Amino acid sequence: EAGVAQSPRYKIIEKRQSVAFWCNPISGHATLYWYQQILGQGPKLLIQFQNNGVVDDSQLPKDRFSAERLKGVDSTLKIQPAKLEDSAVYLCASSLGRVDYGYTFGSGTRLTVV
Amino acid sequence: QQQVKQSPQSLIVQKGGISIINCAYENTAFDYFPWYQQFPGKGPALLIAIRPDVSEKKEGRFTISFNKSAKQFSLHIMDSQPGDSATYFCAASMVNYGGSQGNLIFGKGTKLSVKP
Repeated sequence: EAGVAQSPRYKIIEKRQSVAFWCNPISGHATLYWYQQILGQGPKLLIQFQNNGVVDDSQLPKDRFSAERLKGVDSTLKIQPAKLEDSAVYLCASSLGRVDYGYTFGSGTRLTVV
Repeated sequence: QQQVKQSPQSLIVQKGGISIINCAYENTAFDYFPWYQQFPGKGPALLIAIRPDVSEKKEGRFTISFNKSAKQFSLHIMDSQPGDSATYFCAASMVNYGGSQGNLIFGKGTKLSVKP
């Protein structure tokens, strides 16, 4: 079974620039999550999708972050404009439904904002 | 009330020793307690998980001990090996509630180093 695919692996941008991350979940996984993991901390949920609908985006900074999951498969997370404090690893995860059903993380995208 | 507090922040153990990482929670509605292992450059991977209806779960060298009354759970790694060196995260969720309430709340992580 192929894992959760994410790209790019690394990205360095200047503050106020925009950046986009891509995630392709495990085939058949209806639920997709985006997490932000700041160095030295645990992952923090940004947004959860069920198929192509948003279940939870309460912790997404909507003034600068946006995410979409067209067709209920792959997803993109965008930051515009980026701030220094957005430097983090952005992890994508997917599951069959609940977090105790085949919940798998991708390797993440490491973003550095300079 | 949604926090999961994890300790210690870092841990150094000799090869063959026992590594113990502790977590505490406040929300009694949590009903799923997983531990994740993360190597540098990789995403977290599920190591072992427990439900509150049992007090202990063992898988190989990894054991979760769960104390419902104290609202605490811990990960024990027996016969620790250098290959166990990684960051470990505890988490909690209300899976039976579903929707956004079923999402994972992570602790801040413990960096384990096992010395040969």
